[in-house]
Amino acid sequence: QVQLQESGPGLVKPSETLSLTCGVSGYSISRGYYWGWIRQPPGKGLEWIGSIFRTGGTYYNPSLNSRVTLSLDTSVNQFSLKLSSVTAADTAVYYCTRVTWYQIGDNWFDPWGQGTLVTVSS
Amino acid sequence: QSVLTQPPSASGTPGQRVTISCSGSTPNIGSNYVYWYQQFPGTAPKFLMYRNDQRPSGVPDRFSGSKSGTSASLAISGLRSEDEADYYCAAWDDSLRAWVFGGGTKLTVL
Repeated sequence: QVQLQESGPGLVKPSETLSLTCGVSGYSISRGYYWGWIRQPPGKGLEWIGSIFRTGGTYYNPSLNSRVTLSLDTSVNQFSLKLSSVTAADTAVYYCTRVTWYQIGDNWFDPWGQGTLVTVSS
Repeated sequence: QSVLTQPPSASGTPGQRVTISCSGSTPNIGSNYVYWYQQFPGTAPKFLMYRNDQRPSGVPDRFSGSKSGTSASLAISGLRSEDEADYYCAAWDDSLRAWVFGGGTKLTVL
């Protein structure tokens, strides 16, 4: 059974870079699937951040595109998120997820990690 | 403001059938599949429905989905107390080139 676990700092200063890692167990990320990140500001809805394929191909939410970088480290079976120039608006619970992908517009997010709260504050 | 519009709340009594709507537009629901996720308080969302009306294994057949034009619905029949959760719809938006979600509907079982 695939399990995902986010890790990283819970507090980031404004203008700095948020860095999170998602460790995957029960499945080798180099075998297939896309892998993604979704966030949820406290008390609010979900926002897709981006997804990365096992080969390293990525697609990002255009609203965050210039600030987001996703990467894979197959040697330790994990993938990562970097979000630069953060502001208080980036405060959210960040979830990592496996993406079943058939074509653009036909993919789903399952399973999800438990999520990690990242607060942007000085 | 979410691209997909859901009612903020819905409610029903045990055994009832409730429906949660999700309204979009041509570039998203009008052109692509709709997906649904269920989220209990303090936990991660759970995958609930795919390709408008397909249930993943393990999801009870009390849950059903539909889509017509630029709107979609999630129906829950035989409502149970354990169905009390937040429900989110999602679709790809061809114009935004991004996955978009509804604002979520909080379902209360009275």
